[in-house]
Amino acid sequence: DTAVSQTPKYLVTQMGNDKSIKCEQNLGHDTMYWYKQDSKKFLKIMFSYNNKELIINETVPNRFSPKSPDKAHLNLHINSLELGDSAVYFCASSQDPAGNAKLFFGSGTQLSVL
Amino acid sequence: AQKVTQAQTEISVVEKEDVTLDCVYETRDTTYYLFWYKQPPSGELVFLIRRNSFDEQNEISGRYSWNFQKSTSSFNFTITASQVVDSAVYFCALSETGANNLFFGTGTRLTVIP
Repeated sequence: DTAVSQTPKYLVTQMGNDKSIKCEQNLGHDTMYWYKQDSKKFLKIMFSYNNKELIINETVPNRFSPKSPDKAHLNLHINSLELGDSAVYFCASSQDPAGNAKLFFGSGTQLSVL
Repeated sequence: AQKVTQAQTEISVVEKEDVTLDCVYETRDTTYYLFWYKQPPSGELVFLIRRNSFDEQNEISGRYSWNFQKSTSSFNFTITASQVVDSAVYFCALSETGANNLFFGTGTRLTVIP
């Protein structure tokens, strides 16, 4: 069983569309994250949720809206997609939100905006 | 502000050679955590090691070893007798106390040539 699974793996869409990426973890973790990896491989945190509550919200356009229906799920909805949104998006989870938490990552969603 | 520098963008070695990946960090916190993650060609990020700022003991795990030196703010990673399967992008990362915000370096792409 995959510990952190995200779908879809590839997402190709036109500018201006709205899309969602889903993430689920079966590790029983309390904390989930979204990270963005750009074309130069730079990884940056976008959001973090602990027990369904938002605890980190980096400077991300409000076109990006995370939703956590329960502890095991953290979905990412993106409105009005732009070319610059093209990247690989990683979902991750950890047991708790502490600074020393070990993160378990999903396999990534490669988003291409045309 | 926290910062992680991986000055080596790309490294190529011949199989069985030893290789060291450098990581230098900056933080104002006295308590912090350092990590290494591996991203193989398949794309997922895999946790390798975690150290806290109070534990400067070097660590060896099989062919992997880590050298943490607070005096030089470095947390270097050595692979002994490299193998083709070690080919990946390796990320050093820093997290500060209380912050659940893992800050990644820009990664070092390691290619092991058979």
